[in-house]
Amino acid sequence: SQQGEEDPQALSIQEGENATMNCSYKTSINNLQWYRQNSGRGLVHLILIRSNEREKHSGRLRVTLDTSKKSSSLLITASRAADTASYFCAMMGNFGNEKLTFGTGTRLTIIP
Amino acid sequence: DAGVIQSPRHEVTEMGQEVTLRCKPISGHNSLFWYRQTMMRGLELLIYFNNNVPIDDSGMPEDRFSAKMPNASFSTLKIQPSEPRDSAVYFCASSRGGGSGNQPQHFGDGTRLSIL
Repeated sequence: SQQGEEDPQALSIQEGENATMNCSYKTSINNLQWYRQNSGRGLVHLILIRSNEREKHSGRLRVTLDTSKKSSSLLITASRAADTASYFCAMMGNFGNEKLTFGTGTRLTIIP
Repeated sequence: DAGVIQSPRHEVTEMGQEVTLRCKPISGHNSLFWYRQTMMRGLELLIYFNNNVPIDDSGMPEDRFSAKMPNASFSTLKIQPSEPRDSAVYFCASSRGGGSGNQPQHFGDGTRLSIL
């Protein structure tokens, strides 16, 4: 298993501040994905970064990937109350199948 | 477009009973995934199908669990007999699939299962 470890487990910030979450994993990957989960709901895909990419942006989201350190980070800029959720990284390995292994998640709370 | 549809949303039953969870993937998606989420173990992949064929069932916990995908628009996850430790939220997800693997997965809202 190559379950990812996320850091921190929980994060509380003021609205308008930036939030950074980190993910570390153990083995080589094909891509790494970030998902958001609101309470009582399913996961929503946010962004996918391939193993040959180093940085990717989508709106207020910025993801970096360092394959030499086996780590990724998700930055949410100018946070909003609606960003309150759990965030998960998910790794797709180089095994020729679509299996995703999810990290432990970061619980983000935005304080209005 | 309709998302992934799961039923029921909640299920409460007594141990020993058979439980059947249902999933309708997004039309046009050819990969379907079943996950289980618990506080202790997080989110775990149980099994996934591509073009209705099971590809990886290494996460299925034991013989009490079985999954089928009789056609491209329907899948079931069955637990028989159920046990209290099966209590969890079960998610179904689908994706366009493809050899590159660079496709996001779309999740349903899950079935919250409680085995008494």
